[in-house]
Amino acid sequence: DVKVTQSSRYLVKRTGEKVFLECVQDMDHENMFWYRQDPGLGLRLIYFSYDVKMKEKGDIPEGYSVSREKKERFSLILESASTNQTSMYLCASSLTISGSGNTIYFGEGSWLTVV
Amino acid sequence: DAKTTQPPSMDCAEGRAANLPCNHSTISGNEYVYWYRQIHSQGPQYIIHGLKNNETNEMASLIITEDRKSSTLILPHATLRDTAVYYCIVRVAGDTGFQKLVFGTGTRLLVSP
Repeated sequence: DVKVTQSSRYLVKRTGEKVFLECVQDMDHENMFWYRQDPGLGLRLIYFSYDVKMKEKGDIPEGYSVSREKKERFSLILESASTNQTSMYLCASSLTISGSGNTIYFGEGSWLTVV
Repeated sequence: DAKTTQPPSMDCAEGRAANLPCNHSTISGNEYVYWYRQIHSQGPQYIIHGLKNNETNEMASLIITEDRKSSTLILPHATLRDTAVYYCIVRVAGDTGFQKLVFGTGTRLLVSP
């Protein structure tokens, strides 16, 4: 089974802090994603990466950055956390991007509260 | 925007089959139908996907109509642990050809004893 592991399930951070959310997948997947999920807004794509050191902006990249130094690891960085970044963050991965039929697998989620 | 329509909620008795419908009338020929579920406070869990033919795996069966405008997810023997929000998703090609997942509001399935 595909395993996508997010390092922290619950975090509480102060406004202005730099926050790192880590994600590791164990299936040698090419692609990794960061989403956030908020009530009434569904899942929104923040960033994705289709290869090591490659990244693309999703729908809501403002206030976030990412890092992918190794294939299995994709980090989401909040440079200066703000209260409107309180949310559940979901990491995901998939084997390929091109073509239909590639399945995206999600981690358990990281609940971030910014106070 | 989500390209699927699902009922907001459904009930099912434990041990009975749960049949969850989904309408995707604007689906295009190369788009797959995916089903995920999300148990409270957890990440979405992949269930099954299909293009034209009916599919079955250890979790569920997927029935797609011949015109592909609708589908039904079947949980053959629902258990209390199947209580979750179920999302029917059509894969959408992004601007760069990258396919994003667009989750709608889903169906909240409640399995009762």
